[in-house]
Amino acid sequence: EVQLVESGGGLVQPGGSLRLSCSASGFTVSSNYMSWVRQAPGKGLEWVSVIYSGGNTYYTDSVKGRFTISRDNSKSTVYLQMNSLRAEDTAVYYCARVWADTGTFPFDYWGQGTLVTVSS
Amino acid sequence: QSALTQPASVSGSPGQSITISCTGTSSDVGAYNYVSWYQQHPGKAPKLIIYDVSNRPSGVSIRFSASESGNTASLTISGLQAEDEADYYCTSYTSSSSSWVFGGGTKLTVL
Repeated sequence: EVQLVESGGGLVQPGGSLRLSCSASGFTVSSNYMSWVRQAPGKGLEWVSVIYSGGNTYYTDSVKGRFTISRDNSKSTVYLQMNSLRAEDTAVYYCARVWADTGTFPFDYWGQGTLVTVSS
Repeated sequence: QSALTQPASVSGSPGQSITISCTGTSSDVGAYNYVSWYQQHPGKAPKLIIYDVSNRPSGVSIRFSASESGNTASLTISGLQAEDEADYYCTSYTSSSSSWVFGGGTKLTVL
């Protein structure tokens, strides 16, 4: 059974840093595309970042240069390092697997999310 | 990249059908079969209900169907049930930028 479990969220001051983790089970992280999607309180979903099976990484414009996605294949874990955090980064962050075999890249499995609050 | 356009809300009575539209551009919705749809109940993670424009993952009710014409995709829910009350999001992958764009979401109210 595929499972994604996020952790690492919390309260952080503006300008601070936080690292989110997504622990995966039931499949091989290194062979899949893994993504982060966030949702600000009361708002819609926003794609944040992806790491492809080959290691290429991509980001939405608003986090480029501040966020870094990575993975540890031995731990089946995907990370999102978030630096220079801003109030507008406040959101629930979801880890999601990309169903790359379809060739159309929907997000087929999601974690339960972890809340990041940026506030002084 | 601009968000896809969805109506903020739709409503229907039990047993009725509703349709939610999702409008993008020729670079995303109109580019290929990249559109997928998600259902999100309050406090829960999104759930994939449609992919490749009109395909349902295993276990998703046949009451959910979808289509696409030009730069607009549509999700139809037939035989509305109380449990369908949720937020619905469309999204499209954009191959030119290896990114995804979501619609703003549509709140479905079952009257």
